[in-house]
Amino acid sequence: GAGVSQSPSNKVTEKGKDVELRCDPISGHTALYWYRQSLGQGLEFLIYFQGNSAPDKSGLPSDRFSAERTGGSVSTLTIQRTQQEDSAVYLCASSLVPGGTYTFGSGTRLTVV
Amino acid sequence: AQTVTQSQPEMSVQEAETVTLSCTYDTSESNYYLFWYKQPPSRQMILVIRQEAYKQQNATENRFSVNFQKAAKSFSLKISDSQLGDTAMYFCAFMKLSAGGTSYGKLTFGQGTILTVHP
Repeated sequence: GAGVSQSPSNKVTEKGKDVELRCDPISGHTALYWYRQSLGQGLEFLIYFQGNSAPDKSGLPSDRFSAERTGGSVSTLTIQRTQQEDSAVYLCASSLVPGGTYTFGSGTRLTVV
Repeated sequence: AQTVTQSQPEMSVQEAETVTLSCTYDTSESNYYLFWYKQPPSRQMILVIRQEAYKQQNATENRFSVNFQKAAKSFSLKISDSQLGDTAMYFCAFMKLSAGGTSYGKLTFGQGTILTVHP
């Protein structure tokens, strides 16, 4: 596609439920990144994909968080047993090559009630 | 580990005036990139300007320019002739490069500065 697409745009979920956030990167972009932006805060790195593998997942805050990427394209970030502190905007970005210019999506705003 | 600090939570400027946003960073690396990103209410992060640490010349991009002081680890953004469309949150970010000049591209961000341009 022309840009990085994220869905849903907004998600409200009850505490304890699982959620899946989707990122569709620019076609051909090999590198994909997930970041989290808590209210009024900067962006916090979560995970990096090169193709379908994740050489760096050091930013995932707990084992409730997982992510996968399939076909070198779409990525899904899954949060199990959501907690209120998981409320944030989750941003995805892709680049043609690692270290290249990022293109960001518009993010998913997750609210846990 | 790298840290990026933006000490101005909010700034405001009159349309057509000039404003400078501050950023300092801490790193032991000698080879890196620095960035300024803009985040309007649409949430999508937009690259404003990039500076390679090995370049002494300050990067410029139309009305946007930086003052890169490597020894002081300072990287400020100057916006000239401010426009209403410049209203947004601005983030300073750091990308470490390997000795070979490559990187897998992980960015470390500051906390952001909300800029409001008044008519």
